[in-house]
Amino acid sequence: ETGVTQTPRHLVMGMTNKKSLKCEQHLGHNAMYWYKQSAKKPLELMFVYSLEERVENNSVPSRFSPECPNSSHLFLHLHTLQPEDSALYLCASSQDRGGNTIYFGEGSWLTVV
Amino acid sequence: LAKTTQPISMDSYEGQEVNITCSHNNIATNDYITWYQQFPSQGPRFIIQGYKTKVTNEVASLFIPADRKSSTLSLPRVSLSDTAVYYCLVGDMGTALIFGKGTTLSVSS
Repeated sequence: ETGVTQTPRHLVMGMTNKKSLKCEQHLGHNAMYWYKQSAKKPLELMFVYSLEERVENNSVPSRFSPECPNSSHLFLHLHTLQPEDSALYLCASSQDRGGNTIYFGEGSWLTVV
Repeated sequence: LAKTTQPISMDSYEGQEVNITCSHNNIATNDYITWYQQFPSQGPRFIIQGYKTKVTNEVASLFIPADRKSSTLSLPRVSLSDTAVYYCLVGDMGTALIFGKGTTLSVSS
């Protein structure tokens, strides 16, 4: 238990569907992140939020839309995804943006069919 | 961000000490060195962090020479459950941490 909870743990969606991944952290942290991990590839940083403001967007396609309504919650809205978007999506948080210890959730396995 | 280089894979046997070295020649003055462990289908987990010399906790030790251009993660008496990917990250307090390919450690009986 890392204090970062992700739901759902597994999601299968069609290419025309709209779904959302949810992340909640109970650590009182100010920064939250979305990472993507495809099979046998390094983790890719997708988005960084600091104090609910998006501070980084690493050239992520617009079919991925993040939302951070408050410092404890982070969403990743998904629409018109492609099969190559199938991956493990990891949410993480840290006290402040950057080099402090990052705490990861268990991840959400996404399969696009 | 300082680039890190670490071996792609390592093999060991139960009960042995494992040392994984990471090179970071361009480390900056404000950068810390952090190691994470990741099991299959799980998010990475923090192991240890240091700035210089030696840091030890209940899981591992981290050795950092004076020039800080490398660091060594030491896992004492590994077991099968230590089979995982180990990531070395370098960064300061103002940047999100970028993960490389890590080192896949395989422990056999």
